[in-house]
Amino acid sequence: KAGVTQTPRYLIKTRGQQVTLSCSPISGHRSVSWYQQTPGQGLQFLFEYFSETQRNKGNFPGRFSGRQFSNSRSEMNVSTLELGDSALYLCASSYTGTSNYGYTFGSGTRLTVV
Amino acid sequence: ELKVEQNPLFLSMQEGKNYTIYCNYSTTSDRLYWYRQDPGKSLESLFVLLSNGAVKQEGRLMASLDTKARLSTLHITAAVHDLSATYFCAAINTGTASKLTFGTGTRLQVTL
Repeated sequence: KAGVTQTPRYLIKTRGQQVTLSCSPISGHRSVSWYQQTPGQGLQFLFEYFSETQRNKGNFPGRFSGRQFSNSRSEMNVSTLELGDSALYLCASSYTGTSNYGYTFGSGTRLTVV
Repeated sequence: ELKVEQNPLFLSMQEGKNYTIYCNYSTTSDRLYWYRQDPGKSLESLFVLLSNGAVKQEGRLMASLDTKARLSTLHITAAVHDLSATYFCAAINTGTASKLTFGTGTRLQVTL
């Protein structure tokens, strides 16, 4: 079956711009989580959506937001980009969000802010 | 707040040797996950440990979980070059069921 699909794979944006990243989970999975990975901070949880509702949120400023559509696809948006937002953004898919089978991660979107 | 610590951060191993990566977590966790990441790539799921005493093995890797000690280990047997990667453990707690808290990662380099 198809895996988790993230688009785009690479992005270069300028400070102050905004960006939208997309994640399509595995078919049948209803939970999508987002993580930011940087060399300095490691892997950090951004938020999780289940059935179009945000269930959990990490410690990120309000510039980071997300949503989930009825087909479980999710988008995250970062407004007023800062240099420190440069990172690999990963989304993870699971059936319920509390997974005994692990979470399947997408290939990620590498965002560079210049 | 759940915190996860991994050690060592970097491990240089000779092929054929054995070693263990340690993962400690600070509060009660429902389950423990191990992932592998190759440079520039995403996270590949290795093991899901669901209960105290759980042990899982796949090839040269074996993971175990001791919930009383809040400790998980990833044991590498007779390392080969293909195992060179960064390994992460992640814990999850009941209160925030879908939020993975990751360790810092252990960069494993297997040399000839």
